[in-house]
Amino acid sequence: EADIYQTPRYLVIGTGKKITLECSQTMGHDKMYWYQQDPGMELHLIHYSYGVNSTEKGDLSSESTVSRIRTEHFPLTLESARPSHTSQYLCASSEGPYTGELFFGEGSRLTVL
Amino acid sequence: AQSVAQPEDQVNVAEGNPLTVKCTYSVSGNPYLFWYVQYPNRGLQFLLKYITGDNLVKGSYGFEAEFNKSQTSFHLKKPSALVSDSALYFCAVRDTPGSSNTGKLIFGQGTTLQVKP
Repeated sequence: EADIYQTPRYLVIGTGKKITLECSQTMGHDKMYWYQQDPGMELHLIHYSYGVNSTEKGDLSSESTVSRIRTEHFPLTLESARPSHTSQYLCASSEGPYTGELFFGEGSRLTVL
Repeated sequence: AQSVAQPEDQVNVAEGNPLTVKCTYSVSGNPYLFWYVQYPNRGLQFLLKYITGDNLVKGSYGFEAEFNKSQTSFHLKKPSALVSDSALYFCAVRDTPGSSNTGKLIFGQGTTLQVKP
């Protein structure tokens, strides 16, 4: 069982609210990722980090931001949520740079009204 | 640029029959290939990976996958399907070191497997 946790699992909020999705892992992995999963199932990489104080934007442009102050923690923030941000957000971490598999959290399903 | 394609949105199979979920890839170097499964309202779970060596890779829950370099494919297979195998399956690819890629994992669009009793 993977030791990576996401909170909240489900969140329904109004437009304009600031939200933070939490992601923590206890495996000591340097590499962490945020994926956005569309209702039609596809996964898109929106942010990644290769270590403390390292963050990069992924392949899909996102208005969210991330921070990596501690190895185990990789939160994602939306300053002003909009209905277009409604999606499932999946956090993951990996041990190796290329051969290591990703370990995923259970996901945070965000609905913006 | 690297990419991966899963040509079937859905695969339907009867319980007890063999199943195949297809995946093809495109990378500039040698590929590292992965299969993941996602059950409803859950995160993705790792099933198996191909890094190097034997083209037939065995993974969790009786699944296996065959790497075919000439056809650039990595199809997921299971000899006898179970109803509990019904889920969403993702193929993923990552470039090897030395290419222009930074090692990110790119996922296919997913294939829903439906196993009927």
